[in-house]
Parts: sequence; structure tokens; C-alpha cells
Amino acid sequence: GNSVTQMEGPVTLSEEAFLTINCTYTATGYPSLFWYVQYPGEGLQLLLKATKADDKGSNKGFEATYRKETTSFHLEKGSVQVSDSAVYFCALNAGNNRKLIWGLGTSLAVNP
Amino acid sequence: EPEVTQTPSHQVTQMGQEVILRCVPISNHLYFYWYRQILGQKVEFLVSFYNNEISEKSEIFDDQFSVERPDGSNFTLKIRSTKLEDSAMYFCASRMTGGNQPQHFGDGTRLSIL
Repeated sequence: GNSVTQMEGPVTLSEEAFLTINCTYTATGYPSLFWYVQYPGEGLQLLLKATKADDKGSNKGFEATYRKETTSFHLEKGSVQVSDSAVYFCALNAGNNRKLIWGLGTSLAVNP
Repeated sequence: EPEVTQTPSHQVTQMGQEVILRCVPISNHLYFYWYRQILGQKVEFLVSFYNNEISEKSEIFDDQFSVERPDGSNFTLKIRSTKLEDSAMYFCASRMTGGNQPQHFGDGTRLSIL
């Protein structure tokens, strides 16, 4: 079946630290992979996506590479800011209707 | 930038009552979805809707749930007889045609069943 596993949070970092949030998946077929972000009090916003193996998605300094050999899509950012504090969700789309299968979410707190 | 809008932002309802959650998807999108997130748990798929009919539903989406697109803009989720365990955040999403198109989400409706 299809599933997504994310590293558990919360993750607490100091400003300008390097961020990695691990995400691995199991899937049948050829899913696209996504990272969504939820800022406090807001909805789910697409952060980045990758549609095939070896694609790299990037946005706002965040990057993730679709690694088929390790079934991973780890999120990275070289220097986090306080404004990056949010919950980050890894997801894949599955099936003919491309429903999203979600990880549990990882809460990130960045301290000044 | 166009966005998905959901109303109300918070709904408090007595157990056994019917509730309707409303969504206005992005206007040129053709695929619509509802998801829910119970506090502390994963976001779960409920139902997808395309061409005026349900295209897929999960095990959660039983007879107490229904969806409707009553006009060209709204997409509603009805829960007929609410239970305590229906308390959750409900998210509506829409996307364009194309299997790799991302889904765009509303801010969600927090449903609290008393």
C-alpha cells in the first residue's frame, strides 16, 4: 500500500541553523511527492513538489530531492529563520484520483 | 493569487445534529477533495469529486457523509448525524487537470461536537 513516514517532532533550532526533516515513503505506481507547510492559525500551503525520480523541488530556500532508490524526500534548508516556525507535512499522491497520503507532520520551532 | 475558501472557520454542534461545511474551490479547478485531521493524528483522505460525482471515497466516508456541488462554485460536505468522534479539522482542496498538479487547500473548518 501507500504510506508516508516522517521524523517525529518537535524540532527546535536556533536561527540560521541547518534544517533536515526526514521523509520516507512506500508507494505503488509513480507518485508525485509534496511538502506542505502549516503556519500557526493557517491552512495547508504547498511548499514544494517533485514529480519524478531525481527531481528537486525548491521554494523559499527549502529543497527536497525525490530519491527512488532510498524512497525518500527529505526536506532541507541551509539557514532557518524564526518565520519558518510551522508544521511541515510530507505527502504523496496515489491512485487514479491522486488523493494525498500524508505523514504525521513535524513541528518546527526556530528561536532567535 | 486565487485561493480555496472555507466557511465557517469554526463550527460547534451538538451530537446528533446535522452540519454542513462549505468550500469554494479555485474557479478553474475540476477536482475537489475533503480531508480531515483529528487532533494529534494524520491528515486523512475522505472523498474526491470530479465531473459532478464522487470518484473515490475512503472507509471513513460512510453513509452519514455526503458531498454536493450545488452550483458552479460551492462544494459542500454534509455530516448527517454527528458523533463525538467527528470532531476534527476538515480541509477542502482542489486542483487542476493533470495528475501531477498540486492540490490547493483552504484554511479548514474546525468542527467541535459536544
